[in-house]
Order: sequence, then C-alpha cells, then structure tokens
Amino acid sequence: ETGVTQTPRHLVMGMTNKKSLKCEQHLGHNAMYWYKQSAKKPLELMFVYNFKEQTENNSVPSRFSPECPNSSHLFLHLHTLQPEDSALYLCASSQDGLNTGELFFGEGSRLTVL
Amino acid sequence: EDQVTQSPEALRLQEGESSSLNCSYTVSGLRGLFWYRQDPGKGPEFLFTLYSAGEEKEKERLKATLTKKESFLHITAPKPEDSATYLCAASMDSNYQLIWGAGTKLIIKP
Repeated sequence: ETGVTQTPRHLVMGMTNKKSLKCEQHLGHNAMYWYKQSAKKPLELMFVYNFKEQTENNSVPSRFSPECPNSSHLFLHLHTLQPEDSALYLCASSQDGLNTGELFFGEGSRLTVL
Repeated sequence: EDQVTQSPEALRLQEGESSSLNCSYTVSGLRGLFWYRQDPGKGPEFLFTLYSAGEEKEKERLKATLTKKESFLHITAPKPEDSATYLCAASMDSNYQLIWGAGTKLIIKP
C-alpha cells in the first residue's frame, strides 16, 4: 500500500460509545496531523505529531484523545461524543517535519454521532 | 486576525468556459500559499505552492498566481473532470500552522 490510509471510512456511533479512528502512512514522513472538516467551513487542525511527539493541541475537547505509537501510525480515540462532532476526520502526513504546507491526506473517516 | 477567504463559494461553468477562483489572505508574514483539490468523498490533494508575489505555477489546465494580497487559480477551457472543491491555505513565518479557506466548489457542465 502507498499513501495515507484511514479506517474506518464510515462510522456511526451513539453518544455513549467509545470508538477509534486509525491512520497509517507509508510515505516515510515525520509529521502526522488530525483535521476536522465540516460542511462549508475551513479545515480545523486538531492535533499534530512530529517524530511521535505531540506538538499541538488546538483546544480540542478531551472527548477526543490522540495516540501516536510511531511515525507511521496515528489514532484518534473517541468517547462520549456530541452530535456536533459529526464531521469528516482527515489524517495527513508531511515530509520535512512541520516546515511545509504540502500535506498528504487520507480519504477521511466520516463520523456520524446520533 | 490572520484569515484566508475564498470566493466564490460555488462556481458553475460550461465545459470550455475559462474562469478564475480567488483566495484573499490577511496574514502577517506570508511564508507560502498552497492550493489543493478535493473530490467528493476524498481527502484534499496538493496542487501548488507559491512563495512570493509574481510567482506562477501551472499544471495542465490550471495556473496559480500570487500577489501581495491574494492568489488566483485560473482554469482554462475546463473539462467536467475538473469539477471539485478547490482549497487554498496560507502559512506564516511565525507559525507553521496552515490557515485554510472554506473552499470553492467548481462544477463544470458538459
């Protein structure tokens, strides 16, 4: 496989469920990102990892918990979400750490919270 | 406040009808301006990076240009397969985080 792979592609969960999103990149990049994309709104950066170290947490609610076990894998753990958390969650990676605007995105995980 | 604004929100063109998408930015110390294409159900795909006013980049029917206040994505003789949402983003000297616009949805009718 090549590129950035996200699973699952679609997820429906209740407000009391716990689920996880997975991202894997096969590009040898050092930085990985989680973004939230809502309709007609700009991409919202949630978390950034550079060389497995979290460098950014943009005031994201604690019901979202990231995990980066190595430079190739990134997880987003979800628990007690709210309906307004329904969105497309995009994972991205980049070469040269954080000093680039050239990101490689996965196809996203479409999350629906009931 | 650092901001990126894209216009129009949506644009419908006939096949072969050339036009331009606008990305205006107000950021302190622009490091780079980036264009992406996003197809429905997919993640954004990188197209171009522009670093300084006057710079131009081309790829097939697309040409991106940059001034000190805005960037344009010109599309010449578009085809239906050019239909997508086009996103722009800016990075600053002081902060590596990208500031994104909300995108322009381009629809090319055959």
